[in-house]
Amino acid sequence: AQSVAQPEDQVNVAEGNPLTVKCTYSVSGNPYLFWYVQYPNRGLQFLLKYITGDNLVKGSYGFEAEFNKSQTSFHLKKPSALVSDSALYFCAVRRPGGSYIPTFGRGTSLIVHP
Amino acid sequence: DVKVTQSSRYLVKRTGEKVFLECVQDMDHENMFWYRQDPGLGLRLIYFSYDVKMKEKGDIPEGYSVSREKKERFSLILESASTNQTSMYLCASSSPDRGLNSPLHFGNGTRLTVT
Repeated sequence: AQSVAQPEDQVNVAEGNPLTVKCTYSVSGNPYLFWYVQYPNRGLQFLLKYITGDNLVKGSYGFEAEFNKSQTSFHLKKPSALVSDSALYFCAVRRPGGSYIPTFGRGTSLIVHP
Repeated sequence: DVKVTQSSRYLVKRTGEKVFLECVQDMDHENMFWYRQDPGLGLRLIYFSYDVKMKEKGDIPEGYSVSREKKERFSLILESASTNQTSMYLCASSSPDRGLNSPLHFGNGTRLTVT
């Protein structure tokens, strides 16, 4: 079975500082990994994905994520946080050869302080 | 851009009522999903449909049913609403044409309160 863990319920960072939102996964074989963002009272929006290739993936709004196979991690990063980045972030994984149903983490609330 | 539209942003229903949550997508996607989102529990899959009239139970199907009579529309039905079904409900769609690469596209959610 595949699973995703987001070890932090909340991450606090000052505006202008780099941010990291952590995600680890457990899946047999090579994973397909996704990050989504949810702004207040909205649905989830796709940010970026890792399928294969370069371990550093760039996505929307200046976000990027680093795939680390040995640590089974896919942490979301941004060099300089904005107050408008404050939102709920979800990591998700799909197993190659598996169904189209992704497994989501429980979400991490990112709060960027002015 | 894909648009997934949920018919209601907020609903208030009474215990025992039959409740219909409607979702429509405009990109001819085969796959559609209903999730429930609760604080601290993340997203939990209620039902999944991969084609018209086809459905699969997710992790928490009890107390819910679904209907997919047309490709673009996926309805979630609460047969007899209970207070523990108070939650945010999210509909999503995806296309299998790009295989497992395809991300999900979500609606803005329906916040249901059962009193």
